[in-house]
Amino acid sequence: EDQVTQSPEALRLQEGESSSLNCSYTVSGLRGLFWYRQDPGKGPEFLFTLYSAGEEKEKERLKATLTKKESFLHITAPKPEDSATYLCARGDSSYKLIFGSGTRLLVRP
Amino acid sequence: EPEVTQTPSHQVTQMGQEVILRCVPISNHLYFYWYRQILGQKVEFLVSFYNNEISEKSEIFDDQFSVERPDGSNFTLKIRSTKLEDSAMYFCASVRGYEQYFGPGTRLTVT
Repeated sequence: EDQVTQSPEALRLQEGESSSLNCSYTVSGLRGLFWYRQDPGKGPEFLFTLYSAGEEKEKERLKATLTKKESFLHITAPKPEDSATYLCARGDSSYKLIFGSGTRLLVRP
Repeated sequence: EPEVTQTPSHQVTQMGQEVILRCVPISNHLYFYWYRQILGQKVEFLVSFYNNEISEKSEIFDDQFSVERPDGSNFTLKIRSTKLEDSAMYFCASVRGYEQYFGPGTRLTVT
């Protein structure tokens, strides 16, 4: 059973078209829910950590939220430079990260 | 802003050869990790390292793999006898609090 499931696998948006990415996770032993951005051939870039249901964090056009079983990454009025793969990861009881498969976001001008 | 650095950026080696991947974590960070990402697949945990010893390792991290911090700044991953299936991006991460900061990765190609 996958511990982290992300949807959709891929998302195409027009510039300015807001949307949300979903991450569902297993709750047992959770030590934080993490969002990263990954550009092709690069390392994951840290975006947010969320620890408790109801928590929200924002950075520029991105807002991450957390419920008891899911996290959402909301992208408001995206720009082409937001195109990347967005990775969700859960911290487990030993604090290592368990990653999902990611959502490939393409924002067209 | 301090960054994790990794060298080399790309390593090509023949099957059966030893490789050493190097990482310089962010100074004052105490926990370090290695992850790998096979092309088109998820980022996978390999090993965590704290206080000069392994804290946890995954099933992937078999006897062919080793890690060490030889000089208080560098953090290395050694693969003793590479296999074709070791071809992947290898990422080092260092930790502040619970936040893991990743390096740019080393692309390992085993031929």
